[in-house]
Amino acid sequence: DAGVIQSPRHEVTEMGQEVTLRCKPISGHDYLFWYRQTMMRGLELLIYFNNNVPIDDSGMPEDRFSAKMPNASFSTLKIQPSEPRDSAVYFCASSSGLAGGKQYFGPGTRLTVT
Amino acid sequence: QKEVEQDPGPLSVPEGAIVSLNCTYSNSAFQYFMWYRQYSRKGPELLMYTYSSGNKEDGRFTAQVDKSSKYISLFIRDSQPSDSATYLCAIGAADFNKFYFGSGTKLNVKP
Repeated sequence: DAGVIQSPRHEVTEMGQEVTLRCKPISGHDYLFWYRQTMMRGLELLIYFNNNVPIDDSGMPEDRFSAKMPNASFSTLKIQPSEPRDSAVYFCASSSGLAGGKQYFGPGTRLTVT
Repeated sequence: QKEVEQDPGPLSVPEGAIVSLNCTYSNSAFQYFMWYRQYSRKGPELLMYTYSSGNKEDGRFTAQVDKSSKYISLFIRDSQPSDSATYLCAIGAADFNKFYFGSGTKLNVKP
């Protein structure tokens, strides 16, 4: 298996621009998670899906953030408009099952907003 | 109060040392305990997985859960420079709708 795939690996954009991050989970996994990692705040859960349905989005910082999962093999995290404080590494992870499920992380997207 | 607390370090040890990494958690309902290893500029990778209490050993790594004290540990024997990474603990429960990650402990093993 190729593991969790994320694109792009690096993104540099100017403040105010729209940013779209993409994720392909491991085939057969029914849970997908989006995380953000910064030095100050560590790893933060933004939102997670079960069978393509958003279950908990309480970690999404603002309305500028939105996430979709149109099918079992693809998810997007969109930031519109982007701000410098959104600069972070964004990880996608997937698992089979939730509380007992082992999460497998993608390589991350390093976002820099100038 | 955070659900899980982890000393951020950094922790620096000489090669061959025994390393002890720890997390404390607040809710006794947690049943699933994991340790992830994250190399610089990489995603976290699952290292150890434990359900309920007790010990689990995998090569040089031992995960220990003490539910009475709400304390989990990861021991690394004969530490190697290749073990230099950030180690994150993660906990969850069947009745909860999410996992909780510790802030991570940065480990440096000096040759």
